[in-house]
Order: sequence, then C-alpha cells, then structure tokens
Amino acid sequence: GAVVSQHPSRVICKSGTSVKIECRSLDFQATTMFWYRQFPKQSLMLMATSNEGSKATYEQGVEKDKFLINHASLTLSTLTVTSAHPEDSSFYICSARGSGKGRETQYFGPGTRLLVL
Amino acid sequence: GDSVTQMEGPVTLSEEAFLTINCTYTATGYPSLFWYVQYPGEGLQLLLKATKADDKGSNKGFEATYRKETTSFHLEKGSVQVSDSAVYFCALSVSETSGSRLTFGEGTQLTVNP
Repeated sequence: GAVVSQHPSRVICKSGTSVKIECRSLDFQATTMFWYRQFPKQSLMLMATSNEGSKATYEQGVEKDKFLINHASLTLSTLTVTSAHPEDSSFYICSARGSGKGRETQYFGPGTRLLVL
Repeated sequence: GDSVTQMEGPVTLSEEAFLTINCTYTATGYPSLFWYVQYPGEGLQLLLKATKADDKGSNKGFEATYRKETTSFHLEKGSVQVSDSAVYFCALSVSETSGSRLTFGEGTQLTVNP
C-alpha cells in the first residue's frame, strides 16, 4: 500500500512555543491531505482538509489561526500548532489520498505525539 | 448525516478464537467502507475495504462483506493471534457528498491473550 510519513514522531515543547509537523506521501502524489487529532482511547477527530495549492478547509470548532496548515506540494503538508498550550497535547495524525482510481482510500501517517509542558 | 456505529469494546479473546466486530452505517449516497487497525502508539493502517455492495474485502485473514440490505460491514477472523491485539476502526467515505472524507466509528479495542 501507499506510504505516508510524519515527522517528528514525538515532540515535547514549552507552553507558548510553536510546533511544526510534516506529513509526506512517499510514493504517490497526494492531491488531498487530512489532519486528525486523537485523544486517548477515542476515535479520530478531523481537524481540516487541505488540497494542494489552496487554503485548507477547517472543521467547525477548529481554530485556523492556531492550527496553520500548508499544502505546498503534492507530497508535503505541514501542520503548525502556534503558541501551543498544554490542552493542545494530543496525538496528531495525517492522511493522504491521490486522484483517479482508488482515490476513495486514505493512507495514514504513523502519527505525531505532542506534549506541551 | 453519515455515521458509523461499532460494537462496544473492549473485546478480549483467547488465541485461535473466532472474532466478529460488528459495524453498521448510515449514509447518503453510495459509500465505500473500510476497516482500519491501530496498533499501540501508531497511526492507522488500512486493513481492508469494499467499494460497492456485496464486495468482500480481505487481508491477513480478516474479512468483511459490504451488505447494503443490512447496512453492515462486520469484521471477522476465524482464528485470532496475540499480534492482532489493537484498536479496530470501521469507516465510510462518500465521494459524491463529502469529498472522500472519512467518517469513523468509535473504535473497538481487541485484546488477544495467549
């Protein structure tokens, strides 16, 4: 199956700092990338959808100025958590899908665990 | 709106037992259906999928059949192993109405004991 990577896998930062998480599709061109947040023992919550070269579409209740998403190329999307606070600590997972046949399938990255102190 | 309902967990089985995790859905349009698996501390991996009614998805001994008449996509495995211990998510995607965004069930924790 298709491969999606995330970096870093784990990050610890101080409150008030910004953290950037990268999501890359390694063997296909991702026309759309999704960013999710997952709390312990819960399902995934979609935060935003980004299409290459256009602004991300945020889900209701997600602050776009706090969670900056950039999808500058067909293989890379970034999520920047600005001025992070302890309540932003979570597991962030990206997914990607291509175009054409099979585009109904999303391929997930391994996730990034963020801990804000 | 679209929704997915999974059987509540956690599910605990002995090795070589038969596994069923129920999943039912409601959707506008014609959904594709998926099972994803999440191992501890990791992201989600696609386990299997079915894109139209009566399709059977299968992988690693797991199977699920897309039943339009009962709006179900139950996951089954004939003989589970300790390594199958994980959280299993049922999901659907309706391209026409949602741009292929996934709607997830709540997840079912499976623990397989030796």
